[in-house]
Amino acid sequence: EVRLLESGGGLTQPGGSLRLSCVASGVTFNNYVMTWVRQAPGKGLEWVSSLSGRGEATYFADSPKGRFTMSRDNSKNTLYLQMNSLRTEDTAVYYCAKGRRVGATLWFDLWGQGTLVTVSS
Amino acid sequence: QSVLTQPPSVSAAPGRKVTISCSGSSSNIGNNYVSWYQQFPGTAPKLLIFENNKRPSGFPDRFSGSKSGTSATLDITGLQTGDEADYYCGTWDNSLSAAVFGGGTHLTVL
Repeated sequence: EVRLLESGGGLTQPGGSLRLSCVASGVTFNNYVMTWVRQAPGKGLEWVSSLSGRGEATYFADSPKGRFTMSRDNSKNTLYLQMNSLRTEDTAVYYCAKGRRVGATLWFDLWGQGTLVTVSS
Repeated sequence: QSVLTQPPSVSAAPGRKVTISCSGSSSNIGNNYVSWYQQFPGTAPKLLIFENNKRPSGFPDRFSGSKSGTSATLDITGLQTGDEADYYCGTWDNSLSAAVFGGGTHLTVL
């Protein structure tokens, strides 16, 4: 079965850290750009970051840039998002998504079920 | 404020057709493919349209996409109550070097 499974979400205080993981199964993981997309409660989708198949290129949205780090371990089919200096506005469901690329265009053809990150004092 | 502009909501009766628009600029829609996603409450988004007008297996041809200039459109014909969901457009923005989404459109099937 082709699937993505996120974990690592939870409650943390402002300024805290969390590390999200996403394990892929049923896909040739290192062939694909992997991405994190988040969705704040009651809000729309917000792209967070993308990482190329071999990990040589990373792209980040402005908001988490400098605070979040994305990495992958292709031997474990696992994607990570290290989130530091968390803010209340980082509260969201974080989705892992498998990306497909044509030219500059990137779209997401497989999504995980999401993991909830809550930043609150 | 989203880079891509969608109407917050649309509605139509069962069996009718609805169109959801997505407006951008030359740095995004104008020079890149558009994708569309369907999301039901409490669930993950699902790819509905990619490369402007292609459908993944599993979605009926009642769903179709198109692009013209800096705008894209999602058409849903033969509306069913099960189509009630949020719909998002997305693409890549060359100026931002970022993936961008519309704010989402909630479809109500009356």
